[in-house]
Amino acid sequence: DIQMTQSPSSLSASVGDRVTITCQASQDISNYLNWYQQKPGKAPKVLIYDASNLETGVPSRFSGSGSGTDFTFTISSLQPEDIATYYCQQYHNLRTFGQGTRLEIK
Amino acid sequence: QVQLQESGPGLVKPSETLSLTCTVSGDSISYYYWSWIRQPPGKGLEWIGYIYYNGNTNYNPSLKSRVTISLDTSKNQFSLKLNSVTAADTAVYYCARETEVAGTWPHYYYYMDVWGKGTTVTVSS
Repeated sequence: DIQMTQSPSSLSASVGDRVTITCQASQDISNYLNWYQQKPGKAPKVLIYDASNLETGVPSRFSGSGSGTDFTFTISSLQPEDIATYYCQQYHNLRTFGQGTRLEIK
Repeated sequence: QVQLQESGPGLVKPSETLSLTCTVSGDSISYYYWSWIRQPPGKGLEWIGYIYYNGNTNYNPSLKSRVTISLDTSKNQFSLKLNSVTAADTAVYYCARETEVAGTWPHYYYYMDVWGKGTTVTVSS
């Protein structure tokens, strides 16, 4: 099984800050990684697919990078509506989600 | 616009079988991968498994012995059965469509682009 480890598990930042979340896979998954945003009480929504591709309609302040085992998700300028929990998910072998990163406004 | 809607009992007794259905509207179920994901209260997302439109399935190894996902193309629905449930199976259950996109050959991208709103299932006597 492929394990996905996100860090940090929670994060507090100010509006306008640059925010970075990392995701590490337990083995090489190439670019087979997606990022999702989940707001409280809502279903997840895909933001980034295949490590760095922005889903249609998603604001350009969101971005992703990385390959192999180490991946990064970035919000270039945090907005109040970005308060959510963010998950990485691999699809190299079956599907596995990271444990999530809860993002709060400072 | 594609929409997914989960339905099924909100309360299941321990040792019994949890059964949920996801109804797809706005598109045919006869393509894509169709997934189930769950989220225990206050916890993260757990992938349960998927079924391809041709009937092929794959399951989370930790649940494989208890899970069956099936497809009913005549009703545009797919279903989840999880047997021998315990309190640990209490969760919000989501159904989702997984899209396959061709990249640079032979690479394909897969991501869950349409989700249902989720349904809460509690396992309790």
